[in-house]
Amino acid sequence: GAVVSQHPSRVICKSGTSVKIECRSLDFQATTMFWYRQFPKQSLMLMATSNEGSKATYEQGVEKDKFLINHASLTLSTLTVTSAHPEDSSFYICSASSGGGYGYTFGSGTRLTVV
Amino acid sequence: AQTVTQSQPEMSVQEAETVTLSCTYDTSESNYYLFWYKQPPSRQMILVIRQEAYKQQNATENRFSVNFQKAAKSFSLKISDSQLGDTAMYFCAFMKLNTGGFKTIFGAGTRLFVKA
Repeated sequence: GAVVSQHPSRVICKSGTSVKIECRSLDFQATTMFWYRQFPKQSLMLMATSNEGSKATYEQGVEKDKFLINHASLTLSTLTVTSAHPEDSSFYICSASSGGGYGYTFGSGTRLTVV
Repeated sequence: AQTVTQSQPEMSVQEAETVTLSCTYDTSESNYYLFWYKQPPSRQMILVIRQEAYKQQNATENRFSVNFQKAAKSFSLKISDSQLGDTAMYFCAFMKLNTGGFKTIFGAGTRLFVKA
């Protein structure tokens, strides 16, 4: 089946630094990937839609300059949290679709802690 | 705008028994997809079951089945013979094709505890 790999699984960084999270589709090509943020005991909040070869589409209220998304190939999307602050601490999840309405395959998530 | 509502924040069931999780949604679309995803303590999201809106037959995957009522915009998940490994957060999700591609909206989730 479709597999999405997400790294790192956990990261701790100092306030003011940047952190990059990678999301790879291992056995299929994903022209579109999605980035979510999940607060404890809450649902997934869509942050942005990552489109291969073009700019990401951000949801309302998500800062484009803080959450940089790059989708340079059909199998890799990256999310960079720039100038991280403690309030950016959260669980970030990526997902990709192998096509049509077959649902998403999710990465295993990244727990970001900004100290 | 589409919305997905899960009215049960938490539920519990005895091992081997059956439990039903509720989900309602609101849309003016006629063609869309519905899903149930499971998020165990590991936090890995796992697709449980999917339903295409144009299909009247309810989807079934082993112990998991849905009751899809399109007119009522209801999409409940039934888990039969509950197992301890079914303990997880369950999210109902609605997907339709947007101008920018497929977009999924998730419900708030129902936390299910399976008791031994």
